[in-house]
Amino acid sequence: LAKTTQPISMDSYEGQEVNITCSHNNIATNDYITWYQQFPSQGPRFIIQGYKTKVTNEVASLFIPADRKSSTLSLPRVSLSDTAVYYCLVGYTGGGNKLTFGTGTQLKVEL
Amino acid sequence: DAEITQSPRHKITETGRQVTLACHQTWNHNNMFWYRQDLGHGLRLIHYSYGVHDTNKGEVSDGYSVSRSNTEDLPLTLESAASSQTSVYFCASSGHRNTGELFFGEGSRLTVL
Repeated sequence: LAKTTQPISMDSYEGQEVNITCSHNNIATNDYITWYQQFPSQGPRFIIQGYKTKVTNEVASLFIPADRKSSTLSLPRVSLSDTAVYYCLVGYTGGGNKLTFGTGTQLKVEL
Repeated sequence: DAEITQSPRHKITETGRQVTLACHQTWNHNNMFWYRQDLGHGLRLIHYSYGVHDTNKGEVSDGYSVSRSNTEDLPLTLESAASSQTSVYFCASSGHRNTGELFFGEGSRLTVL
């Protein structure tokens, strides 16, 4: 299983860029790297996904080095509403039992 | 809009009772998953299904069962509820097998007394 390790918590201020790193040393060839955001009393919500190099969408960027043993979610100019738990998921839906999340990173954004 | 819904959102039951949590999705996704979320454990996979009549055990399947009689629904049954099964349960679906993208429901909070 591609076990993931993330920081338990991070603090930031509005307007700053936040980078959350996930370590996944035993990632497999077919595994994707996917990040989710979760607010209290809600289900996780997809943010971004990548396989290698860099991916960017309207809300975040995902940086993946060549060896794929880690990944970094970058949130530009965070706001209070970005306070949430962020999960890194390594795997793919066809991999079934491998599709398990880590414990996540609690991001707190302050004024 | 297509969606995934769970019911009930909140349930309190007693030890030993049978409980069924419903999950219904309107995306016509073949792949459906059940997770439980507990403090300090993140989300752990209970069961998953890749299509009608297909079910598979996940990481923490003991005490749980699922059935898939149609594409839209994957009910989760606790045959004899235990206090250790007090948790928040999330259902998810995906339209593809070569992706990490899952669409989650809003969760069902279950308390077993």
